[in-house]
Amino acid sequence: DAGITQSPRHKVTETGTPVTLRCHQTENHRYMYWYRQDPGHGLRLIHYSYGVKDTDKGEVSDGYSVSRSKTEDFLLTLESATSSQTSVYFCAISESLLAGGGNEQFFGPGTRLTVL
Amino acid sequence: RKEVEQDPGPFNVPEGATVAFNCTYSNSASQSFFWYRQDCRKEPKLLMSVYSSGNEDGRFTAQLNRASQYISLLIRDSKLSDSATYLCVPPPGSSYKLIFGSGTRLLVRP
Repeated sequence: DAGITQSPRHKVTETGTPVTLRCHQTENHRYMYWYRQDPGHGLRLIHYSYGVKDTDKGEVSDGYSVSRSKTEDFLLTLESATSSQTSVYFCAISESLLAGGGNEQFFGPGTRLTVL
Repeated sequence: RKEVEQDPGPFNVPEGATVAFNCTYSNSASQSFFWYRQDCRKEPKLLMSVYSSGNEDGRFTAQLNRASQYISLLIRDSKLSDSATYLCVPPPGSSYKLIFGSGTRLLVRP
C-alpha cells in the first residue's frame, strides 16, 4: 500500500469553526490532491498541488483553501465550516499528471467530517 | 451530458457468474484509463491501469472503445470478495485531470 496517512480520521465540529485536515505521504510523489466524496456525486476534486507551494483549484474549491510547505504534507482548511461540507475527504497522490504512465492516483484512508 | 456516467447498480450476481460494467465519457485526449475498487467506508484502491486499448489481469479484463467513448470492466468467475463498488476513470481530457465515475455497486451472492 502507498504510504499515505490522513489525520484526523474522524471529526465532528460546529458550523463556523475552522477545520484543518492533514495528508502526509512517504512516497515523495510530486502531485497531491484533495477530494470529497458524497452520495450521488462520486469523488470531486477540491484542490491539487503540483509541487511545494504550487496549488490550483479543482471543481469544488469554494470554502476551502490548501497549503503545501513540504513535499510530504498537504493541508486542507475549511476557514468557516458549513453543514454542506459534511463529507468524506480523501487525499490522493500521483507521480505524474500526464497520461502515459504514473498518473494513476493512490488514496489515503479518508477523513469523515461532520459539521453540525 | 456528464463527463463520466456509470450505472450505479447494484448488480446482483451469483458466485461464478461473469459480469460487465460500462462507463461512458466525453472529452478525451489520451488513451490511458483506470478502474478502482472501493469497499464500504474505505478508500478507492487501484484495480487496473491501462495504457492501451485494453488489459487483462487474471479474472479481470478492461477495454477501451474510443469510437463509442466507453470503457468496460469484465469480471469472470465472480467471487464473494468481489462485492464492492467499482469506479471508472476514463481517459483524461486536455486538462489532464482525472474524472472519477460515481461507481457501480456489485453484490456477489453465494
